[in-house]
Amino acid sequence: GENVEQHPSTLSVQEGDSAVIKCTYSDSASNYFPWYKQELGKRPQLIIDIRSNVGEKKDQRIAVTLNKTAKHFSLHITETQPEDSAVYFCAASNPFNNDMRFGAGTRLTVKP
Amino acid sequence: EPEVTQTPSHQVTQMGQEVILRCVPISNHLYFYWYRQILGQKVEFLVSFYNNEISEKSEIFDDQFSVERPDGSNFTLKIRSTKLEDSAMYFCASTRQGASGYTFGSGTRLTVV
Repeated sequence: GENVEQHPSTLSVQEGDSAVIKCTYSDSASNYFPWYKQELGKRPQLIIDIRSNVGEKKDQRIAVTLNKTAKHFSLHITETQPEDSAVYFCAASNPFNNDMRFGAGTRLTVKP
Repeated sequence: EPEVTQTPSHQVTQMGQEVILRCVPISNHLYFYWYRQILGQKVEFLVSFYNNEISEKSEIFDDQFSVERPDGSNFTLKIRSTKLEDSAMYFCASTRQGASGYTFGSGTRLTVV
């Protein structure tokens, strides 16, 4: 089955700096790559996603890039704010298996 | 905005007891999922359900677990004989298209004592 690796496990940045979180996946058939933000005690919330027919997608301060050949994708947050502090999870799924597998998560701390 | 509803929000149970966690997916969604998150750890896939049957399940989803869609709205996860290590947050999710665009419920925190 799909195996998703995520790095780093923790990330601390100063407010206004950029943050980058990287994930790799193992199943070349995977074609959907969402990113979730989870605040303490709450449900994961989808913040951005990308499909394998697209290399990059941007939504305001958040962008995701996908390198299908290398089987890795990244989340980029620019101009970070303290409210960006949370755990971020990447995930991957393929159209043939009805499941989605998550990375281990990155705890992002944005210091004011 | 439509929501996935889970009940109860917190369940405490004695080891060896059966528990049923309940979910009401979004009404026009066709695919349903259960995930588990042990405190401070990753979100782990348990099972997916489509067309009234299990479509995928993980190695975690052993004989102690079962799922049901008893009527047109509820989707339940049953743990037959709970163990201490079953203590976790259990999230239900649903989607119209398989394995994309998930909407997660707010979770049930299961504590086995």
